[in-house]
Amino acid sequence: EVQLLESGGGLVQPGGSLRLSCAASGFTFSSYAMSWVRQAPGKGLEWVSAITESGDRTYYADSVKGRFTISRDHSKNTLFLQMNSLRAEDTAVYYCARPPDFDYWGQGTLVSVSS
Amino acid sequence: DIVMTQTPLSLSVTPGQPASISCKSSQSLLYSDGKTYFYWYLQKPGQSPQLLIYGISNRFSGVPDRFSGSGSGTDFTLKISRVEAEDVGVYYCMQSIQPPWTFGQGTKVEIK
Repeated sequence: EVQLLESGGGLVQPGGSLRLSCAASGFTFSSYAMSWVRQAPGKGLEWVSAITESGDRTYYADSVKGRFTISRDHSKNTLFLQMNSLRAEDTAVYYCARPPDFDYWGQGTLVSVSS
Repeated sequence: DIVMTQTPLSLSVTPGQPASISCKSSQSLLYSDGKTYFYWYLQKPGQSPQLLIYGISNRFSGVPDRFSGSGSGTDFTLKISRVEAEDVGVYYCMQSIQPPWTFGQGTKVEIK
C-alpha cells in the first residue's frame, strides 16, 4: 500500500525557516518523481515544487522560487522541502504527492507563518 | 502558465440526479507522447485530495463508475450520473503537461 507521511510543519515567524519531510513507503521511491502541493486556509490547491526521480532536476512555482528548496534522500525514502524567508502567504497545509498523476497524497502538514 | 478555468464554482444537487463540471485549459494538454495530462480530483471535507480521473477519462482504482470524464484538447467535463451523499466536496481539475502544474479554482458540490 502506497503511503506518504508528511511532517515538520508548525508555527514560525515571518522570515523564519522550516524543513518539511515526506516519508514514502509501499512503492519504489527512487522510480518516481515527487512533488509538493499546498493549500492555504479555505483556498484551492497550489502546486509548489517537484523533483525528478534521480533528483537531477527541480522545478518551483514563481511564488517560492529562490526561497524553497526541494530534495530527496533515496536511502531514507524521504522527500524534503526546505523553506526559508517564510511569509504570511506561505501559511498552508503542505501535501506531498507523486506526479504526474498525483495518484497518492499524504495527509498534509500545516505551516503557519505569523508573528 | 497554463490557466485552468472551472465552471460552475458551486453546485447544489438532489441525490440521484446527475451533475456536470466543466474545465477549460488555456493550452492543449495533449503531449508529444500521445497522452493528455489532465486530471480530476475530489477533496472531501477535512480530507486530502483524491484522484478520480486521469488522462481525461480513466477512472482511478476504486472510483465508482457513476463518475466519468470526457473531452479533448482544451475542453473537459466531469459527469456524475447519479449524485450520492458521499460525493460532496470540492472538485478540482489539473494539468501536468508542463510546470508550473496548475489546478482549477475548484467546484464545491453540495447536496440539496
